[in-house]
Amino acid sequence: GAVVSQHPSRVICKSGTSVKIECRSLDFQATTMFWYRQFPKQSLMLMATSNEGSKATYEQGVEKDKFLINHASLTLSTLTVTSAHPEDSSFYICSARGDAGNEKLFFGSGTQLSVL
Amino acid sequence: DAKTTQPTSMDCAEGRAANLPCNHSTISGNEYVYWYRQIHSQGPQYIIHGLKNNETNEMASLIITEDRKSSTLILPHATLRDTAVYYCIATDSWGKLQFGAGTQVVVTP
Repeated sequence: GAVVSQHPSRVICKSGTSVKIECRSLDFQATTMFWYRQFPKQSLMLMATSNEGSKATYEQGVEKDKFLINHASLTLSTLTVTSAHPEDSSFYICSARGDAGNEKLFFGSGTQLSVL
Repeated sequence: DAKTTQPTSMDCAEGRAANLPCNHSTISGNEYVYWYRQIHSQGPQYIIHGLKNNETNEMASLIITEDRKSSTLILPHATLRDTAVYYCIATDSWGKLQFGAGTQVVVTP
């Protein structure tokens, strides 16, 4: 099946720094990618939808200047958490959908972000 | 997207079939029923999806009622590795996947 690679799997950073998370579709072209956040013992919360070559669409309550999304190619989307603070500590997960009428979403393995 | 309702948790004995119900009474005609599961600290894993007809793959079977207002995911022979949170989501084929609380399934020896 299709594979989505997410990197890094775990990152620890100091408060105030920025962290970039990469999401790659390895064997298909992903027109659309989605970014989720998950706090402990909670469900996944959709943050934004990323379409190749255009600006991301953010869900209500998600700060677009805080969570910068770039989808510059059909196989790569990045999420940058800018000026991270401890409350941004969370599990971030990306997913991707192909552009050939594929109905399934494939998910990355997630990135655990810990901000000290 | 149609709202879905699932039981909070369920236990299942290893080797037995696990039947996971999902209600989606407001589902529209173009919305599929998707099932994903998430094992602790991993990304969700696709299981199966369907529109009207029952579906079966190597992981599970999906039974959708004729009125499409509910469905059941069947894991035919549960193993300990099937312990996970199972999510039932109704959306169209190009829609976003919005996750609810899901069902925590615990498979016991």
